[in-house]
Amino acid sequence: QSVLTQPPSVSAAPGQRVTISCSGMRSNIGNNFVSWHQQVPGTAPKLLIYDNTKRPSGIPDRFSASKSGTSATLDITGLQTGDEADYYCGTWDSSLNAVVFGGGTKVTVL
Amino acid sequence: EVQLVESGGVVVQPGGSLRLSCAASGFTFHDYNMHWVRQAPGRGPEWVSLISWDGYTTYYSDSVKGRFIISRDNSKKSLYLQMNSLRTEDSALYSCAKVRIPYSSSSSTNLDYWGQGTRVTVSS
Repeated sequence: QSVLTQPPSVSAAPGQRVTISCSGMRSNIGNNFVSWHQQVPGTAPKLLIYDNTKRPSGIPDRFSASKSGTSATLDITGLQTGDEADYYCGTWDSSLNAVVFGGGTKVTVL
Repeated sequence: EVQLVESGGVVVQPGGSLRLSCAASGFTFHDYNMHWVRQAPGRGPEWVSLISWDGYTTYYSDSVKGRFIISRDNSKKSLYLQMNSLRTEDSALYSCAKVRIPYSSSSSTNLDYWGQGTRVTVSS
């Protein structure tokens, strides 16, 4: 069982929006930056979001994220078939002194 | 171009030992914290360990603490993971990853480049 809780799956039609939640505790999300990674099966994870809300260069602005208290959210707008992948939130846990990841959310484009 | 290439994964019996390596290129290796992350088939990433840019600070997940040792040789631009007392549950694809900016805090999880991984199978 993962320290960070994500829904197992979300889905929407092309062009629509999906929202992925990531729930944690004060010791992790509450006091540390959150990152989001996208992983297409068979490939290495790709950094989508860092420091709660920032996008690395090359990541389209269709991907956005926020954090409030002990929860974080990733939004994908204008959904495309190429967005089908698993998405993971991650952060540092100050009590565990460890990196923790969510269990992952599979995004399906209908 | 940043490249991270892992090696050393094999089939090993429970209780055995193994040393994984990660060869880095395309960036100033000695400036960056590095991580090992593993992924079992059909599962999400599980963080294993991190080492600071200077090698003086290390952290481990509870599942490997006391059994695995992370190290680095900045002169060789290489990262290592010594794995001892291996268990069947250690079977996974092991990848090294770098953090996004140099001299990061240990709490940074901004892993911007990952290797393709090396597979470790622990089985009798």
